[in-house]
Amino acid sequence: GAGVSQSPSNKVTEKGKDVELRCDPISGHTALYWYRQRLGQGLEFLIYFQGNSAPDKSGLPSDRFSAERTGESVSTLTIQRTQQEDSAVYLCASSPSALRDIRANYGYTFGSGTRLTVV
Amino acid sequence: KQEVTQIPAALSVPEGENLVLNCSFTDSAIYNLQWFRQDPGKGLTSLLLIQSSQREQTSGRLNASLDKSSGRSTLYIAASQPGDSATYLCAVLIFPNAGNNRKLIWGLGTSLAVNP
Repeated sequence: GAGVSQSPSNKVTEKGKDVELRCDPISGHTALYWYRQRLGQGLEFLIYFQGNSAPDKSGLPSDRFSAERTGESVSTLTIQRTQQEDSAVYLCASSPSALRDIRANYGYTFGSGTRLTVV
Repeated sequence: KQEVTQIPAALSVPEGENLVLNCSFTDSAIYNLQWFRQDPGKGLTSLLLIQSSQREQTSGRLNASLDKSSGRSTLYIAASQPGDSATYLCAVLIFPNAGNNRKLIWGLGTSLAVNP
């Protein structure tokens, strides 16, 4: 598509339920990031996918968080047994080029985010 | 360890002023630097990207400069308008090791209010 698409745009869930957030990157973008942003705070890195390589999961805050991406397609971020502290905006970004090439455009394009509220 | 700092944290100016937002980074080994805008409750919009080999980029009333050796970038906004009110974030792209894995290192942003 023309941009990074995230769904749903808003999600209200009860504490303890599982939620699944979706990110549809720009076609052909090999790199995909998930970030979390709590109200009034900066971006917190969660997970990074690079083509078919093993993802960098170093930012996932607990084992309740997991993410998948098949190849260069859609990614889903799953939060199990949601807690109130999980309430935040979850942002996805994608970027072209898998190569370590200084001439390549590694600019990131962000989606509009999913606002998750756990009540 | 790469760290990105943005100064000031908040800025309030009257409409029409020219203004400068600052971003500094501790390690000059960056691949690019990108400026983003975030409106309250919304996602991020990319404004300008400067490759490490470039000195500046311009888009409309925005001009971003990059001085890699001194670890600084500035975002210049000409003739500011109330619609420019937002949080402005800068991020540098690095490759922390010999592989292809990359990292975006973020500043905390400058919150800009342009008053009519």
